[in-house]
Amino acid sequence: AQTIHQWPVAEIKAVGSPLSLGCTIKGKSSPNLYWYWQATGGTLQQLFYSITVGQVESVVQLNLSASRPKDDQFILSTEKLLLSHSGFYLCAWSRDSGNTLYFGEGSRLIVV
Amino acid sequence: AQSVTQPDARVTVSEGASLQLRCKYSYSATPYLFWYVQYPRQGLQLLLKYYSGDPVVQGVNSFEAEFSKSNSSFHLQKASVHWSDSAVYFCALSPTNSAGNKLTFGIGTRVLVRP
Repeated sequence: AQTIHQWPVAEIKAVGSPLSLGCTIKGKSSPNLYWYWQATGGTLQQLFYSITVGQVESVVQLNLSASRPKDDQFILSTEKLLLSHSGFYLCAWSRDSGNTLYFGEGSRLIVV
Repeated sequence: AQSVTQPDARVTVSEGASLQLRCKYSYSATPYLFWYVQYPRQGLQLLLKYYSGDPVVQGVNSFEAEFSKSNSSFHLQKASVHWSDSAVYFCALSPTNSAGNKLTFGIGTRVLVRP
C-alpha cells in the first residue's frame, strides 16, 4: 500500500525566516506529486505539481518554490516567509494526470 | 475555466437524520468529480469519485453522490448521519485533459452533527 508522509507536522516561524516543508511517498514509483495550500477555514489552492524527478511546474506564485530531488520526495521552501504564508500545506500524489489525488496529513504553518 | 460552487457554508443536522450537500460545477465538458472530507487538523480523505457511467456513485462510510449533466451538479448524500460525520466536505473537479491534474475545489461545507 502507498503511504504519504509530511514533515514537520506544525511550525511557528518568524517573518523573514526560511522554510522547508517535506513530503515522501512510499509504495508507488514515479507518482505525480502536488503541493496545495489552505488558508485557515478556506478552500485549497494548488501551488505546484511534478510529473517527474527534477521537474516542477508552478501553478500560483506565492513567493514559494518547490523541488523534487528524488522520485519519492517533494520539497516546498522559501528563503523569506511572509505573514500571508500562514496556513495548512498539503502534499498529494496521484498515479497519473486526471486521476484521484491522495493527500497527506498536512503541515500547519504559523508565521508571526 | 472551471469552477465549483458549494452554496452552503455550514449545515447542521441531528444524528440519524439524512444529509445532502450541494455541489454545482462549471466546465465545458464532463469533468472528473470528487468529494473529499477533512476532519479537524487533518488532511483530505477521498469519499468518492465520478469519472463516467452510472451517475450514482457509492463511496466510503455509506456516502453516495449523484452526477447530473443537465444540472451540472454532483450532490453528496447520506441516509443517516453519525456524530463522527462532523467535518468539512469539499467538492472538487478535475478537467479530463489536465496535464497537471489541477483539481479545483469548492469552498467546502462544514457539517455539524448534533447528538
